[in-house]
Amino acid sequence: DTGVSQDPRHKITKRGQNVTFRCDPISEHNRLYWYRQTLGQGPEFLTYFQNEAQLEKSRLLSDRFSAERPKGSFSTLEIQRTEQGDSAMYLCASSLPDNSYEQYFGPGTRLTVT
Amino acid sequence: DQQVKQNSPSLSVQEGRISILNCDYTNSMFDYFLWYKKYPAEGPTFLISISSIKDKNEDGRFTVFLNKSAKHLSLHIVPSQPGDSAVYFCAASPTQGGSEKLVFGKGMKLTVNP
Repeated sequence: DTGVSQDPRHKITKRGQNVTFRCDPISEHNRLYWYRQTLGQGPEFLTYFQNEAQLEKSRLLSDRFSAERPKGSFSTLEIQRTEQGDSAMYLCASSLPDNSYEQYFGPGTRLTVT
Repeated sequence: DQQVKQNSPSLSVQEGRISILNCDYTNSMFDYFLWYKKYPAEGPTFLISISSIKDKNEDGRFTVFLNKSAKHLSLHIVPSQPGDSAVYFCAASPTQGGSEKLVFGKGMKLTVNP
């Protein structure tokens, strides 16, 4: 399977704990995006990378959130001191440089904060 | 404020008939529009897109129509098949200004009955 992969698929954590998610994009895609989707809503943009450079961040990305893409391949999204409001599906997407608007999504990581 | 609106949460059609999914947007800067399909437990899958320089784009059974003056687009699926049953998201992006984020609507659940 050469699609976008995300790990883990599900994460249950207690409020106040830190969590980290991983995304592996399609290999030839140099752009990588993180979105968050809550129940009954569409995906909401969080941040995006071109290679290893983080080029845009949403206001949704509070200082408890940090994303990295150290070698321009996989990316991690860390949430520190999780809150119940962080419970959501976290989606990763990637795209080719010549058509960055056609983004290909992974299956997502569902986070539940208890 | 929802910049991309899918005002009908669900639609049910008979197999073989036409499905018409509607989407409205408010941001005049949006000039690229996409439709994504999402099955349960999977990430959104890119379906079809249209640039604002066109008013129609067709790909097999799927056609997207864009009415810029009304800030309205629609997705036509004909003939509808049971496998088309999924949640459909409309998304938009302002290609000028350097942003590559997609802004999604809340989605519409399509059910195609055999």
